[in-house]
Amino acid sequence: GQQLNQSPQSMFIQEGEDVSMNCTSSSIFNTWLWYKQDPGEGPVLLIALYKAGELTSNGRLTAQFGITRKDSFLNISASIPSDVGIYFCAGPINAGGTSYGKLTFGQGTILTVHP
Amino acid sequence: EAQVTQNPRYLITVTGKKLTVTCSQNMNHEYMSWYRQDPGLGLRQIYYSMNVEVTDKGDVPEGYKVSRKEKRNFPLILESPSPNQTSLYFCASSLFSSLSGANVLTFGAGSRLTVL
Repeated sequence: GQQLNQSPQSMFIQEGEDVSMNCTSSSIFNTWLWYKQDPGEGPVLLIALYKAGELTSNGRLTAQFGITRKDSFLNISASIPSDVGIYFCAGPINAGGTSYGKLTFGQGTILTVHP
Repeated sequence: EAQVTQNPRYLITVTGKKLTVTCSQNMNHEYMSWYRQDPGLGLRQIYYSMNVEVTDKGDVPEGYKVSRKEKRNFPLILESPSPNQTSLYFCASSLFSSLSGANVLTFGAGSRLTVL
């Protein structure tokens, strides 16, 4: 199936540092979603992006929909210990302008924050 | 509280012993889906359902079955489990939106399955 490549695979940072991660695809996406998975729980939506070039913030999180529509970026500013978890990008399989209900996820970025 | 409920949360079974993981949502969502999560592979879609009696394969459907007889329930069936189906499974649901072209999913807490 379609693949989303996320990088980095893992990050170890100090509390207070900023974090950047990205997601790329060989195909064009019309929507980009960013999820966070806390340890022992299911993923929860952080930010949804619907337009190329769109920049959206949610508190200390900022995500961008790449102009090429083949990539997206997530930044976390001034990290805190509760930012620990796995961050996933996701996008719908969309052919011929119709969503087929398939949502593809990246491999995830594991974030560890040291106090 | 709006939620997706999966059961069991943890299960250890043996090869070949049929099992069912139940999934129920109380949000009247049309769309439901099953994913498996494995280290380094992210979340991979097993099956999804656009509505009652409408199901389709995701990226990794082999060895699994699903049914959608009622809107709220979407069980995942492993007829003859094998060790390579040891994984963390997530059920998710959403209001299907053809306008946005994407489903903003609400996930369950996960079911960790071990097949010996």
